[in-house]
Amino acid sequence: DIQMTQSPSSLSASVGDRVTISCRASQSINTYLNWYQQKQGKAPKVLIYAASSLQSGVPSRFSGSGSGTDFTLTISSLQPEDFATYYCQQSYSAPITFGQGTRLQIK
Amino acid sequence: EVQLVESGGGLVQPGGSLRLSCAASGFTFSNDWMHWVRQAPGKGLEWVSRIKSTGGSTNYADSVKGRFTISRDNAKNTLYLQMNSLRAEDTAVYFCTRDNWNDNLVNWFDPWGQGTLVTVSS
Repeated sequence: DIQMTQSPSSLSASVGDRVTISCRASQSINTYLNWYQQKQGKAPKVLIYAASSLQSGVPSRFSGSGSGTDFTLTISSLQPEDFATYYCQQSYSAPITFGQGTRLQIK
Repeated sequence: EVQLVESGGGLVQPGGSLRLSCAASGFTFSNDWMHWVRQAPGKGLEWVSRIKSTGGSTNYADSVKGRFTISRDNAKNTLYLQMNSLRAEDTAVYFCTRDNWNDNLVNWFDPWGQGTLVTVSS
């Protein structure tokens, strides 16, 4: 199975900050990498698919980059509604696997 | 509006069985692969199972293989997860979700249902 490792596991930041979350795959997954946002008690929501494609309706302050084994989710200017948990997920090979999550908290 | 609504969760004793349902609307259900993903309390996301659009192909996580069965009824626009021999570690919110694909065959999950809680406890 492909292991997905996110860093950091938690992060405190302020409104307006630029934030970067990293995700590393245990083997190359090309660009088969997606990012999800999950708010407390809610279902996950896709933000970025195929490493860098912005899902329709998602604000442009979210962006993704990377290929192979190293990927990044960037939020250019944090908004109050962005405080949530973020997960990366690989769809390169079965079984589909997720990172452990990064909890983004208000500083 | 594309929508997925799960039902069937509840409290069950270890060794017991439960069947989850996921009602789909707003899209052509019979065209899409579907998945179940679960989340134990306070934990991350774990992929559970998937089924091809026609129902002819299924896959499972090792943790549920031989105990869970995914199925679908395209005439009823409904996805199912039959869970047998349940264990305490199966306690989780279970989400159904749809596969999306781009031209490069990268797939992602969207939308997700609201989830249904399964609690396995005596």
